[in-house]
Amino acid sequence: DVKVTQSSRYLVKRTGEKVFLECVQDMDHENMFWYRQDPGLGLRLIYFSYDVKMKEKGDIPEGYSVSREKKERFSLILESASTNQTSMYLCASSLWRLAGGTDTQYFGPGTRLTVL
Amino acid sequence: AQRVTQPEKLLSVFKGAPVELKCNYSYSGSPELFWYVQYSRQRLQLLLRHISRESIKGFTADLNKGETSFHLKKPFAQEEDSAMYYCALNTGNQFYFGTGTSLTVIP
Repeated sequence: DVKVTQSSRYLVKRTGEKVFLECVQDMDHENMFWYRQDPGLGLRLIYFSYDVKMKEKGDIPEGYSVSREKKERFSLILESASTNQTSMYLCASSLWRLAGGTDTQYFGPGTRLTVL
Repeated sequence: AQRVTQPEKLLSVFKGAPVELKCNYSYSGSPELFWYVQYSRQRLQLLLRHISRESIKGFTADLNKGETSFHLKKPFAQEEDSAMYYCALNTGNQFYFGTGTSLTVIP
């Protein structure tokens, strides 16, 4: 069974703080993703990574950065948190198919971040 | 450009009634479609994928390339089906999710 874990279920931070969200997967997946989930907007991709030290921007990367130093760990960083970054953050991982392309995504439980 | 459209934000049906959650996609390549479900206080999880052509928890979905649709159907809704449902398109490099439909099954 794929296990994707996120460091915190709930997080409260103040405007301007630097925030780290951690995600770990235990299935040796090559691909990892960070989304934010907002009511009425669905899931929006922030960043993704195909391999260690590789990263690609998603649809809404502004205000975020990521780090992937190890295959199993993918960190999302809010350099200076703002109130409009209050959201549910979901991490996901997937295999890279031999035939090419990403396979089914498996999700972590989410981190609900509130920025005051 | 919106690649996945779920026109209904909210959907309510009575227990035992049929339910259909709509999903339309926009993609010029060969699509791979999924339905994900999120029950209250649980993580987002895969419900079914079109290439498997399987029925999970009584739900089915058929890919209609002519209408670019992948609607999710169940003939008799149950209370435990109440959840948020997301349709997703895999283009190979990444997934695109719809905005979700919140299904409520009324006892």
